[in-house]
Amino acid sequence: NAGVTQTPKFQVLKTGQSMTLQCAQDMNHEYMSWYRQDPGMGLRLIHYSVGAGITDQGEVPNGYNVSRSTTEDFPLRLLSAAPSQTSVYFCASSLTGDLSYNEQFFGPGTRLTVL
Amino acid sequence: DQQVKQNSPSLSVQEGRISILNCDYTNSMFDYFLWYKKYPAEGPTFLISISSIKDKNEDGRFTVFLNKSAKHLSLHIVPSQPGDSAVYFCAASPQKAGGTSYGKLTFGQGTILTVHP
Repeated sequence: NAGVTQTPKFQVLKTGQSMTLQCAQDMNHEYMSWYRQDPGMGLRLIHYSVGAGITDQGEVPNGYNVSRSTTEDFPLRLLSAAPSQTSVYFCASSLTGDLSYNEQFFGPGTRLTVL
Repeated sequence: DQQVKQNSPSLSVQEGRISILNCDYTNSMFDYFLWYKKYPAEGPTFLISISSIKDKNEDGRFTVFLNKSAKHLSLHIVPSQPGDSAVYFCAASPQKAGGTSYGKLTFGQGTILTVHP
């Protein structure tokens, strides 16, 4: 049971490049989400999914796309990277979105730098 | 507009003493509150939570207190240990299932706790 895994751990992009941050969980969790962590800002929700085929926007969705074709995977796509997207990205999952009953597990993070 | 605020960026405590981390919120729709602990180069891990129907929840050395009228919660760690040194985030969520905010967490900025031996 690997929990929540994220790849890559580190990535450097040039402005305008695109890339996909991978996230996978092996706990059969319905609810998955992406956060970014910036200094002095805490974690902010980018996108989330309540199940395969269902996604919705969080607090800071601009510049990011997501899809959820399987229960296990929830990739985050940067279509045209900008320096403002330099951040640490965390993927998280829980059995459902009711966090009063279900613990949310976070991946180890991807540190992204956009030059 | 920061709806969840942790106004102390850092806290330094002696081993064995009490650590008190504070968190304030502004959104009255929040009714479930969580604390996460984060070590460097790792993701946050869940520590303890409290529902708005309670004013206190204990789990071993960790106790969370909620003052709804003041929109304030605090995390007490007694006794503090060097292994508790980490960043602590408070987070808040509306609890009702099916609403547009279901499952969404709003985090504070974090407080770096350092426990000295």
